[in-house]
Amino acid sequence: KQEVTQIPAALSVPEGENLVLNCSFTDSAIYNLQWFRQDPGKGLTSLLLIQSSQREQTSGRLNASLDKSSGRSTLYIAASQPGDSATYLCAVISEGYSTLTFGKGTMLLVSP
Amino acid sequence: DARVTQTPRHKVTEMGQEVTMRCQPILGHNTVFWYRQTMMQGLELLAYFRNRAPLDDSGMPKDRFSAEMPDATLATLKIQPSEPRDSAVYFCASGLDWSHRFFGPGTRLTVL
Repeated sequence: KQEVTQIPAALSVPEGENLVLNCSFTDSAIYNLQWFRQDPGKGLTSLLLIQSSQREQTSGRLNASLDKSSGRSTLYIAASQPGDSATYLCAVISEGYSTLTFGKGTMLLVSP
Repeated sequence: DARVTQTPRHKVTEMGQEVTMRCQPILGHNTVFWYRQTMMQGLELLAYFRNRAPLDDSGMPKDRFSAEMPDATLATLKIQPSEPRDSAVYFCASGLDWSHRFFGPGTRLTVL
């Protein structure tokens, strides 16, 4: 059974810092990995999707990497802003399945 | 701007009452998912449809929960009878095969 772990559970940084969020998964047989953002009381917004054959994806100040063989992904946020404050969730679709398995998320607070 | 819609956004009901949540997936998507989010458990898969056929509802308490897709534009999740432990945010998501998953804004359910 696939399990997804995110470290740290919470992170507080001052504005302007670069930061890294970590995600690990137990079964490396995945189709893809997706990073989401969730604001308090809101739904999930898809940020980046990395296919199993890819190493990284970039969108603006966000860069996600995937090391499938070691079961790890990182989300790099450059020059963090207070508007980046949210919970970031990592999820994978395992081979043979169509459903996402989620981590518990990292709650990020960027202070001005 | 295509998006997943869910109704109602908020629902407060008393224990024992029937609750029906509705979801309109993005037009053209062939997979629909119901997830439940709680502080303790995070996001849990309840049910999954592909081309309107139910493929996985193993995460759903079958004695009280039921999920259907009467047509391609509507998915429903019903709880009868509801219990206080069902209080959570229920998310619907849709997607195309193994690509991005798009989430609705959720239904926040409170069972008194």
